[in-house]
Amino acid sequence: KQEVTQIPAALSVPEGENLVLNCSFTDSAIYNLQWFRQDPGKGLTSLLLIQSSQREQTSGRLNASLDKSSGRSTLYIAASQPGDSATYLCAVPSGGYQKVTFGTGTKLQVIP
Amino acid sequence: DAMVIQNPRYQVTQFGKPVTLSCSQTLNHNVMYWYQQKSSQAPKLLFHYYDKDFNNEADTPDNFQSRRPNTSFCFLDIRSPGLGDAAMYLCATSTFGKGGSGQPQHFGDGTRLSIL
Repeated sequence: KQEVTQIPAALSVPEGENLVLNCSFTDSAIYNLQWFRQDPGKGLTSLLLIQSSQREQTSGRLNASLDKSSGRSTLYIAASQPGDSATYLCAVPSGGYQKVTFGTGTKLQVIP
Repeated sequence: DAMVIQNPRYQVTQFGKPVTLSCSQTLNHNVMYWYQQKSSQAPKLLFHYYDKDFNNEADTPDNFQSRRPNTSFCFLDIRSPGLGDAAMYLCATSTFGKGGSGQPQHFGDGTRLSIL
């Protein structure tokens, strides 16, 4: 059974800092990994999807990397802004190619 | 814009009174998912449809049912809501082909269900 862990569970940083969120998974036989953002009381917004053949994906100030062999992914946020404050979740395929397992999430607060 | 729309955004029902949540999509995706998310927890998959094929999770209570009358719509029925069913319910879609590597899941804004 796929298990996904995110560290840290919560993070508070001053505006402008670069930061890294971590995601680890137990079953490395995945074909992609997705990072999401969730604002309070809202649904999930897809940030980045990394296919297993890729090592990283970039979108604006976000960069996600994937190391299948070690069962890890990182989400790098450059020059953090207060608007980045949200919970960030990673998700990996599990139990069949149509389902995903979500990580426990990292709640990020960027202080102005 | 193509999107996933959930109605209503907030739903209040009485203990034991059946309730239906709806989800529609304009993405023409063949897979639709229903998740339950409780406060500070990760979304938990209840079931999903691949086209018309219904796939239930082993630990989804019988109290939860789903219908997908066509590609665009999917409904979540809770037959006799209990206090423990108060949560955010999220609908998501994705597209999958045989042998494909999968595409991003797209989520609606969710329906927050309260039980009185």
